[in-house]
Amino acid sequence: SQQGEEDPQALSIQEGENATMNCSYKTSINNLQWYRQNSGRGLVHLILIRSNEREKHSGRLRVTLDTSKKSSSLLITASRAADTASYFCATGPDSNYQLIWGAGTKLIIKP
Amino acid sequence: EPEVTQTPSHQVTQMGQEVILRCVPISNHLYFYWYRQILGQKVEFLVSFYNNEISEKSEIFDDQFSVERPDGSNFTLKIRSTKLEDSAMYFCASRTRGEDTQYFGPGTRLTVL
Repeated sequence: SQQGEEDPQALSIQEGENATMNCSYKTSINNLQWYRQNSGRGLVHLILIRSNEREKHSGRLRVTLDTSKKSSSLLITASRAADTASYFCATGPDSNYQLIWGAGTKLIIKP
Repeated sequence: EPEVTQTPSHQVTQMGQEVILRCVPISNHLYFYWYRQILGQKVEFLVSFYNNEISEKSEIFDDQFSVERPDGSNFTLKIRSTKLEDSAMYFCASRTRGEDTQYFGPGTRLTVL
């Protein structure tokens, strides 16, 4: 079974609005990481939250983690056109050797 | 800021040919990874490498795949006899001891014809 499923699969909002993406996972984790990928490009690390943390901020990003529900959310506030990209959650299981990825949310910010 | 680099950015090869994808991890990092992403699909773990040996590998990483750290800077992924289904973007990543964040290279797009 796949770990790390994001929803929605696609999200289109107006510039300036907030964007929220969710991620669910199945097994126990050591940490959960969010990455951004611009079309056909590399994976850029955004933020990491550990299993003993509930919320973390970085600039316009806010990540929450609910280990009881095995879910996380990524909130981008005051979205910009440059935020248009695919966003992936990736979980680091207890072994921490590999990241297990979700299918991603494609975010489009309309100017 | 240090970054992971990968070469080439795009590799086109004929089915059955061998390819070597190259990565230069961040210099003080000790843990190395290869992932792949078939177009439009999830990123998939292939293999992790530490202390000059494979730590973990996925089902995708069969006998056709191998990794090597030939010197103090390069980390390579070899596919011995490429198949059409090997066409994907291949990402190298590295991390340092005590830090969980994996830093990714820009990827190599492999096209098998």
